[in-house]
Amino acid sequence: GQNIDQPTEMTATEGAIVQINCTYQTSGFNGLFWYQQHAGEAPTFLSYNVLDGLEEKGRFSSFLSRSKGYSYLLLKELQMKDSASYLCAVSDSNYQLIWGAGTKLIIKP
Amino acid sequence: IAGITQAPTSQILAAGRRMTLRCTQDMRHNAMYWYRQDLGLGLRLIHYSNTAGTTGKGEVPDGYSVSRANTDDFPLTLASAVPSQTSVYFCASSETVTDTQYFGPGTRLTVL
Repeated sequence: GQNIDQPTEMTATEGAIVQINCTYQTSGFNGLFWYQQHAGEAPTFLSYNVLDGLEEKGRFSSFLSRSKGYSYLLLKELQMKDSASYLCAVSDSNYQLIWGAGTKLIIKP
Repeated sequence: IAGITQAPTSQILAAGRRMTLRCTQDMRHNAMYWYRQDLGLGLRLIHYSNTAGTTGKGEVPDGYSVSRANTDDFPLTLASAVPSQTSVYFCASSETVTDTQYFGPGTRLTVL
């Protein structure tokens, strides 16, 4: 079956760095997405990786290793507004997104 | 302002009633999707449409139907609502099936 695993909850301190991991097993792979979702709101797109390596976008970076079925989202210089859930999703062989349950990130002052 | 709108924002519905959730996008995206989001679970695909005039079943299609008469609109209908359909429903669209999906604000549905 298809499976996306990510930690349920993480806590970090304002100004620090946090890494959110995602492992996947899917039928086919056409890219991996990270979305941010604030409580009560819609998911918003953060990043997309289809090749191995690191993609950097401001304070956020995303890494992919296809051979290991592994990705991480790295958030630097954490701000209180980064408190949200972070969703990992893999595009499978039919280009349908398979979603993880999300990681709730709590930022403490 | 370009984007996706959903209606209603929230709804409480008696079991057995019929309900249509509306979704409209003005980005001229070809592909549209309906997901449900339940606590502790990832987003689950209900139905999708790769282009106007076509629809397909996702992971959890039972009890739901969709239509795609034109590019902009993708309504989701619950023919006879049951309590297990209590959820938050998100509509999304993408330029094509290979592109990034963008989400509407969601509809919170409670079936009693």
